[in-house]
Amino acid sequence: AQSVTQLGSHVSVSEGALVLLRCNYSSSVPPYLFWYVQYPNQGLQLLLKYTTGATLVKGINGFEAEFKKSETSFHLTKPSAHMSDAAEYFCAVSGGRGSGNTGKLIFGQGTTLQVKP
Amino acid sequence: SAVISQKPSRDICQRGTSLTIQCQVDSQVTMMFWYRQQPGQSLTLIATANQGSEATYESGFVIDKFPISRPNLTFSTLTVSNMSPEDSSIYLCSGAGQLNTEAFFGQGTRLTVV
Repeated sequence: AQSVTQLGSHVSVSEGALVLLRCNYSSSVPPYLFWYVQYPNQGLQLLLKYTTGATLVKGINGFEAEFKKSETSFHLTKPSAHMSDAAEYFCAVSGGRGSGNTGKLIFGQGTTLQVKP
Repeated sequence: SAVISQKPSRDICQRGTSLTIQCQVDSQVTMMFWYRQQPGQSLTLIATANQGSEATYESGFVIDKFPISRPNLTFSTLTVSNMSPEDSSIYLCSGAGQLNTEAFFGQGTRLTVV
């Protein structure tokens, strides 16, 4: 079984400040981990993913995340927030290769990021 | 990544009626999925759309309420049957490619039942 917990349903930062969105997962198989962003009235856009290999993954728009197996975490960071980063962010997990569940996502509750001028 | 088109993008429907949502992918995908996003909530998987066979439903979702078709590797439909206001949600289609290392999403269908 798999699950995802995002700590903090709302995060507010000032423009130019560090963005940190927290995600912890539970998985009985080696996971694939994802961060998606959803802008108002739009679908989901993939920010970045971890499958295998390097644990620090870089994504679009300056975001990155680090897979920490010992902490079962996959926190999303960005060094300097921009007004255009304001959106809903979802962390998701799927089974890894060989699990039979790749592509099938379990989502966290979502975190709304507010960026103040 | 593939591009997924969903139709309609939004609709307002009367209770007791049914709506069929279409999902078209611009390339063949191994797996397709349907999700529901209730107002202010996260995404919940409804079912896996299997090509040429019956969909696989998640707990809490049944075929009579959400019949799904997938006649080929690029197309799927989800029907929301006998709708009630509680069905008002965004419905999203996703596809996963051959390696299945990521899923990409359509823009969603915003359904309001009155």
